Amino acid sequence: GESVGLHLPTLSVQEGDNSIINCAYSNSASDYFIWYKQESGKGPQFIIDIRSNMDKRQGQRVTVLLNKTVKHLSLQIAATQPGDSAVYFCAENWGQGAQKLVFGQGTRLTINP
Amino acid sequence: GAVVSQHPSWVICKSGTSVKIECRSLDFQATTMFWYRQFPKQSLMLMATSNEGSKATYEQGVEKDKFLINHASLTLSTLTVTSAHPEDSSFYICSAAPPGRETQYFGPGTRLLVL
Repeated sequence: GESVGLHLPTLSVQEGDNSIINCAYSNSASDYFIWYKQESGKGPQFIIDIRSNMDKRQGQRVTVLLNKTVKHLSLQIAATQPGDSAVYFCAENWGQGAQKLVFGQGTRLTINP
Repeated sequence: GAVVSQHPSWVICKSGTSVKIECRSLDFQATTMFWYRQFPKQSLMLMATSNEGSKATYEQGVEKDKFLINHASLTLSTLTVTSAHPEDSSFYICSAAPPGRETQYFGPGTRLLVL
């Protein structure tokens, strides 16, 4: 079936550097995408979202880019901090409304001091 | 806003017993809640969609008679793992979206260990 996938399962960056986490999706009908952060033993935490009619959205230290041509999603985290260490998941919403979310495999981000 | 809680946070039970997990939306009403399961070092897999006042919708491969879902109010959904076995040991997470919004907010999860 269709799924959302990630290019890299692990990523290590130095504290203060910027990080980029990538995600590929296959359902061209998806109209809404979300990035979640999951710390060990906790539930996913909403970071940022983007609709299919946009190609970029910025939040506090985070930016999400959407390239519908190649079905690619990325999460940029600026000036990384130790607290950014976690597993990051992208998720796509397959339909209008809060319907089925399909999650990517996740990327573990480690911030080195 | 958009806070979802779960209870208990962890539970250990003997094989063959049933375990109930509660999911509550604390500051909004949710006609729909979602139940996910996550095995170690894996992604979240949707198990079922819980609909207030009607039957839950289960994903393919999820046994509805084993994972009983009850969404009796606009702020509470329960998942009961019946006749639990060691292979049911997992991290169970629920989510809900505030009215009119697509963003799902997740609970803190419930760690289930079946001995």
